[in-house]
Amino acid sequence: AQSVTQLDSQVPVFEEAPVELRCNYSSSVSVYLFWYVQYPNQGLQLLLKYLSGSTLVKGINGFEAEFNKSQTSFHLRKPSVHISDTAEYFCAVSDFELTGGGNKLTFGTGTQLKVEL
Amino acid sequence: DAGITQSPRHKVTETGTPVTLRCHQTENHRYMYWYRQDPGHGLRLIHYSYGVKDTDKGEVSDGYSVSRSKTEDFLLTLESATSSQTSVYFCAISPSSGTGGFYGYTFGSGTRLTVV
Repeated sequence: AQSVTQLDSQVPVFEEAPVELRCNYSSSVSVYLFWYVQYPNQGLQLLLKYLSGSTLVKGINGFEAEFNKSQTSFHLRKPSVHISDTAEYFCAVSDFELTGGGNKLTFGTGTQLKVEL
Repeated sequence: DAGITQSPRHKVTETGTPVTLRCHQTENHRYMYWYRQDPGHGLRLIHYSYGVKDTDKGEVSDGYSVSRSKTEDFLLTLESATSSQTSVYFCAISPSSGTGGFYGYTFGSGTRLTVV
């Protein structure tokens, strides 16, 4: 069974500062990894994904994440945040193996990023 | 979100009453999912569907049932609503994985359900 741990429930940061949101996963097989963002009172929007290949993936809004297989991590980073980045961020994992139910995503508990002036 | 709509967006219901939430997609995707979102728990899978009339349970399925009679519609029913089912419910869709792999879900905007 797969699981995801987001170590920080809240991360406060000043505008224009860099930020890293941490995500660790566990799985007995190879995985797909995702970051989603949720703005207040909205659904989840795909930020970026790792399927295979280069371990550094770039997403929308200047975010990037690095897949580290040895540390089973997929941390999200942005070199300079903006007020508009204030949102909740979810890390999610799916096994490579395709079951009858398709690739089911398991989500972390989320990290609330609060960007302050 | 484009191609997927949930209804209603908000609902208040009384304990013990049945409630049905609807998810409608126009993408012709094979897979559909119902999640609930609660503070401190993230999103947890309730039920999913892998085709018309093909459904299965997720990790928090007790007290919920689903039906999918058409590709485009996936209904979630709370058989007898309880206060513990107060939550935000999200529907998600996903196409069959192609040669490039799995590309993740597209989510609806959610239904905020309050059971009083």
